[in-house]
Amino acid sequence: GEDVEQSLFLSVREGDSSVINCTYTDSSSTYLYWYKQEPGAGLQLLTYIFSNMDMKQDQRLTVLLNKKDKHLSLRIADTQTGDSAIYFCAEGGGSQGNLIFGKGTKLSVKP
Amino acid sequence: GAGVSQSPSNKVTEKGKDVELRCDPISGHTALYWYRQSLGQGLEFLIYFQGNSAPDKSGLPSDRFSAERTGGSVSTLTIQRTQQEDSAVYLCASIKAGQQNTEAFFGQGTRLTVV
Repeated sequence: GEDVEQSLFLSVREGDSSVINCTYTDSSSTYLYWYKQEPGAGLQLLTYIFSNMDMKQDQRLTVLLNKKDKHLSLRIADTQTGDSAIYFCAEGGGSQGNLIFGKGTKLSVKP
Repeated sequence: GAGVSQSPSNKVTEKGKDVELRCDPISGHTALYWYRQSLGQGLEFLIYFQGNSAPDKSGLPSDRFSAERTGGSVSTLTIQRTQQEDSAVYLCASIKAGQQNTEAFFGQGTRLTVV
């Protein structure tokens, strides 16, 4: 069945760039998503990219999609301590509302 | 309400007891998911409801777990004869299916502790 894989932990220093990687298996996915879960809070949509795009930039966030390799990445420029959270990759889209999540990458930002 | 509401927010129960967790999705959202988030285990899919279709129960970890969705709205996740390994945060998400962009809106979760 469909699967989404991502590494569990990432640690960076404040001011550095963070890159969180994700691989997925469903080539028919219409949209790829990044959700963010701050400590003690629920998941919220951070950004998403349509499957016919290869890059999307939103302020400090850059999403790269390699559809051939089914690889998605989230780059956070000038990472701040407030970016410390768990980041979930998800694939989905289409009329049925199917959504498959990865297990999440815990980003720790050291001052 | 404006968002997904889950109740209770916290539940402590004794091993062997049954518990019911409730999810009120956003009005008009036809798809509803239950996930479980355990410490260090990430997000685990449990069950998925989509409109009037039969639910996808493939993620339920054992037959002690069941869920229903009444009237295509409120959903209840029931865990019978709870075990300590059931301790986790149970998250509900609703989606307005039928649109291309399926953004999921999550509730704050129910933190279940089995003692």
